[in-house]
Order: sequence, then C-alpha cells, then structure tokens
Amino acid sequence: GQNIDQPTEMTATEGAIVQINCTYQTSGFNGLFWYQQHAGEAPTFLSYNVLDGLEEKGRFSSFLSRSKGYSYLLLKELQMKDSASYLCAVKEGNYQLIWGAGTKLIIKP
Amino acid sequence: IAGITQAPTSQILAAGRRMTLRCTQDMRHNAMYWYRQDLGLGLRLIHYSNTAGTTGKGEVPDGYSVSRANTDDFPLTLASAVPSQTSVYFCASSDSGRGDTGELFFGEGSRLTVL
Repeated sequence: GQNIDQPTEMTATEGAIVQINCTYQTSGFNGLFWYQQHAGEAPTFLSYNVLDGLEEKGRFSSFLSRSKGYSYLLLKELQMKDSASYLCAVKEGNYQLIWGAGTKLIIKP
Repeated sequence: IAGITQAPTSQILAAGRRMTLRCTQDMRHNAMYWYRQDLGLGLRLIHYSNTAGTTGKGEVPDGYSVSRANTDDFPLTLASAVPSQTSVYFCASSDSGRGDTGELFFGEGSRLTVL
C-alpha cells in the first residue's frame, strides 16, 4: 500500500542543525516534495527532489535515495522562525501527491 | 497579487446545511485540488481537476462535489454537511503542463466547523 512516514515531533536548539527524515512506500514515484507549514497558515514549497542526491538551497537542504525510499530535510543555523510543521509528499503520477502527516519542529532558545 | 483566494476563511455550519467553499486562482494553472487537513493526519485529497471541464475523485470524495467550469474557479460543495466534515480545507493549484515540478500553490485555507 501507500505509506509515508515521518516523525511526529522534533525539538532542536536555535543555531543548531536538525535532520527530518521521511520514508515512503508508494506505487509510483515522480518526485518528492518538502513543504513548510506554520501554525494556522497554508503549506509553502521548500524543495523538490526527483534524482538521488542532495539539493541545497540556502540554510535548507534535501536529500533523496530512491532505492531506499528515503529522504531527509536538513535545516542549518536554526532560527526561531523555523518552528513549523514540515510535510513530506511523494508525487506518484503527473499530478497527485501522497502526503505524510508532517513533523512538528519546535525550536528552543 | 497573483495567487489563490479562498472564501470564506472560517464558517460555522449546522449539520444538514449545504455549503460551498470558493476557490479562485489567477495563475492560469491547469490543475486544481481540494484537500482537507485534520490533526494528526496528512493532507487528504478530496477532488481534483487536471484541466477545465474535467474533475476526478481523490482519497476522500464522499459527501463532496466539485465543478470546473473555467480555468480559474474550482468550488467545493458539501451537499448536506455532517460533523465529520469539520476540518481545514485547502485549495491548491499546479501547472504541470510546462514540464516543471508540479509544485503546488495553496490558498490560505477555510476552517469549517459543522455542529
């Protein structure tokens, strides 16, 4: 069946580094997205991986291993504003995404 | 400002009433979606439309209907609301026709409470 797993909640310290993992089992694969969602707001796009490897974008990086069904989002130099939920989603075909339940990241001073 | 507009942002509704959530985008995206988001669950797809004039059922379509008369508008209707439809509803759009990633752009959400 289709399944996307990510930790429910993580806590990290301001200025530190945190890695949020996502594992997936889907019937198809056409790319993996990471979205950020602040409480009470809409999700916003962070990254997209379709080939194996690391994609870096400023303080955020995303990694994909298709053979392992595994991705992670790496956040460096954490800031208080990074407190949010991080959603992992797999694109199976041309349009539809399968979403994980999200990881709530709590940043402490 | 380009983007997706949803209305209403919040609504309390009596069970059994009919309700339409509106969604309009001005990005000329071909695909549009309706999701519901509930605590502890991932975004769940209700209905989608790959292009104007066509719609499809998502993961949780029962009790909901949609139409796509033109590119910009994609309303979601609850024919007879039930308490289990209490949720936050997000409309989204994407443009996969140009061979890009298919990144979703979301509206700000509509919080619906059915009593």
